[in-house]
Amino acid sequence: AQRVTQPEKLLSVFKGAPVELKCNYSYSGSPELFWYVQYSRQRLQLLLRHISRESIKGFTADLNKGETSFHLKKPFAQEEDSAMYYCALSPVITQGGSEKLVFGKGTKLTVNP
Amino acid sequence: DAGVIQSPRHEVTEMGQEVTLRCKPISGHNSLFWYRQTMMRGLELLIYFNNNVPIDDSGMPEDRFSAKMPNASFSTLKIQPSEPRDSAVYFCASSLVGGAGPPLHFGNGTRLTVT
Repeated sequence: AQRVTQPEKLLSVFKGAPVELKCNYSYSGSPELFWYVQYSRQRLQLLLRHISRESIKGFTADLNKGETSFHLKKPFAQEEDSAMYYCALSPVITQGGSEKLVFGKGTKLTVNP
Repeated sequence: DAGVIQSPRHEVTEMGQEVTLRCKPISGHNSLFWYRQTMMRGLELLIYFNNNVPIDDSGMPEDRFSAKMPNASFSTLKIQPSEPRDSAVYFCASSLVGGAGPPLHFGNGTRLTVT
């Protein structure tokens, strides 16, 4: 069975501080991993995906297959980064798309001024 | 494209009443998903469809929940009878399997409150 674990329900940092949102997964195959972000009362939107290896809004995430982790990092947090962050796993690898996503329970990040 | 459209945005109903949530996926997408979001459980996949056919409904909590997709541009999630513990935000999402872009496009959600 696929499972995504985000151990921190709440995370609070000060503006300018580094931030790391943890994500661990369990899956027997080769998953595709994603981070979604939900700003206050808005729809969920894709932040980044591991296969693209890009940095979005200063965030990066590296897939560590040995530790089965996909932690989200940003060196200097901004107040506008305050949001709900969901790590997600797709058990099906297709070209760009996926059959379904399994989400973690989310981490609410608050960046204080 | 207007994206995934859900209606209503908010629904307040009394326990025992029937509730119907609606979703219009992005045109051309061939998969549709219903998720439920709560503080305790996060995002739970309830059911998803490929080409209008239900593929996995193992996440549907109980028989009070049912979902249909009569055509490629419309889906409903029905709760009958509703209970206070059904209060949550229900998201619909669509995707194009094998296509480029984000794996899932979400709607704005329906916030359901059952009193």
